[in-house]
Amino acid sequence: AQTVTQSQPEMSVQEAETVTLSCTYDTSESDYYLFWYKQPPSRQMILVIRQEAYKQQNATENRFSVNFQKAAKSFSLKISDSQLGDAAMYFCASRYAGNMLTFGGGTRLMVKP
Amino acid sequence: DTAVSQTPKYLVTQMGNDKSIKCEQNLGHDTMYWYKQDSKKFLKIMFSYNNKELIINETVPNRFSPKSPDKAHLNLHINSLELGDSAVYFCASSRGGMGSDTQYFGPGTRLTVL
Repeated sequence: AQTVTQSQPEMSVQEAETVTLSCTYDTSESDYYLFWYKQPPSRQMILVIRQEAYKQQNATENRFSVNFQKAAKSFSLKISDSQLGDAAMYFCASRYAGNMLTFGGGTRLMVKP
Repeated sequence: DTAVSQTPKYLVTQMGNDKSIKCEQNLGHDTMYWYKQDSKKFLKIMFSYNNKELIINETVPNRFSPKSPDKAHLNLHINSLELGDSAVYFCASSRGGMGSDTQYFGPGTRLTVL
C-alpha cells in the first residue's frame, strides 16, 4: 500500500515570491509515478507536474518545479514568481503500475498581493 | 472542448433517494475512475474501469453501482442515499491503467444529502 503525506495544511506566499510545498510518500514499489494536482475554487483538478521515479532529473513546467529526493521519499513542489491565480489547494499523489492514484491530504496555498 | 464532463454539477437530494451521476470523456481513453472528495478535501478512489470492465472496487458500499455502457462513459448510481454520502464526486480518465498514464479529471459533482 502507498501513503502520501502533506504536512502543511496551509501555506501563504507574497505575490512574485517563491514557495515550496512539501510531500512525502511511502511505497515499496520500485516503479512509480508522482504527481502534483491543483484544485482552484472552481473544484477542477488540474495536473501541474509529474515525475517518473526512475528519472533522476527533476521535472519542470514553467514556473513549477519539483525537488525529487528518492532515497528520502520526498517530492516537494516549488512555485516561482507566485501569481494570484496560483491560489488553490495542491494535492500530491503517487501511483504505481496497475494501481490508482493515492492522494495526500492537500495544502491550501494563499497568495497575498 | 471539454475532455471529461460530468452531469450534474450540483445535486441536492433527500436521504433514502436514488440518484445517478453521469461521466463522459472524449479523449479516447480506455480507463475511467470515480473518486470521492470528503468535506476535509480528502480524495479517495472508489472504482476503476478499463474498457467497460471493473478493475478496482475500493471497499465501497454496494449501494454504489458504477455502470459503463461504453468505454467513453462511466456513470455512478447511488441507492438509498445517506447523509455520509455528501461529498464531491470526481470522474477521471486515463489512456490506460499503467502508473505512467496521467489521469484527467472532470469538474466534479457536489452531492448534498439532506
